[in-house]
Amino acid sequence: DVKVTQSSRYLVKRTGEKVFLECVQDMDHENMFWYRQDPGLGLRLIYFSYDVKMKEKGDIPEGYSVSREKKERFSLILESASTNQTSMYLCASGGGATDTQYFGPGTRLTVL
Amino acid sequence: RKEVEQDPGPFNVPEGATVAFNCTYSNSASQSFFWYRQDCRKEPKLLMSVYSSGNEDGRFTAQLNRASQYISLLIRDSKLSDSATYLCVVNPLGSSNTGKLIFGQGTTLQVKP
Repeated sequence: DVKVTQSSRYLVKRTGEKVFLECVQDMDHENMFWYRQDPGLGLRLIYFSYDVKMKEKGDIPEGYSVSREKKERFSLILESASTNQTSMYLCASGGGATDTQYFGPGTRLTVL
Repeated sequence: RKEVEQDPGPFNVPEGATVAFNCTYSNSASQSFFWYRQDCRKEPKLLMSVYSSGNEDGRFTAQLNRASQYISLLIRDSKLSDSATYLCVVNPLGSSNTGKLIFGQGTTLQVKP
């Protein structure tokens, strides 16, 4: 079974704090993705990575950065958290012959 | 125009009913199509891929109409456990790229006893 894990299910941070969200996959997938999901807006792609140390901006990269030092791990960084970054953050991985994406359980981040 | 559009619903149906969702996509060069299911406060999970010839998995049937650029999902004999949000998903460039997918906003289904 494919397993994608995320470091926290729930996180509460204060405005201005630096926030790290980590994602680990165990299927040796090349591609990894970070999304945020908000009511009425659906899933929006923040950043994705198709190889170690490679990254590309998604649709809403502003205020976020990412790091992929190892194939199995993809980190999302909020340099200075703001209240409008309160959201559900979902990590996914995929690759190989099929382009199915497998999601982690999500991190519900609240920025106060 | 959104790249993938779905009616958000909710669709409220009684148990045993047949329900159909449609989804339209804007990029005529899109290669791969999927339906994902997302339960409340959970992550999306692949329900089924959608093939040009149409495909069936138990009570679920998916169809693709390339000429009209729409995808459909039919659920027969609805169960209470089918209550969820169904996401229409498109890969605009096929599996040879970075695997980036475009997600619709989802259609919510509520099956009532």
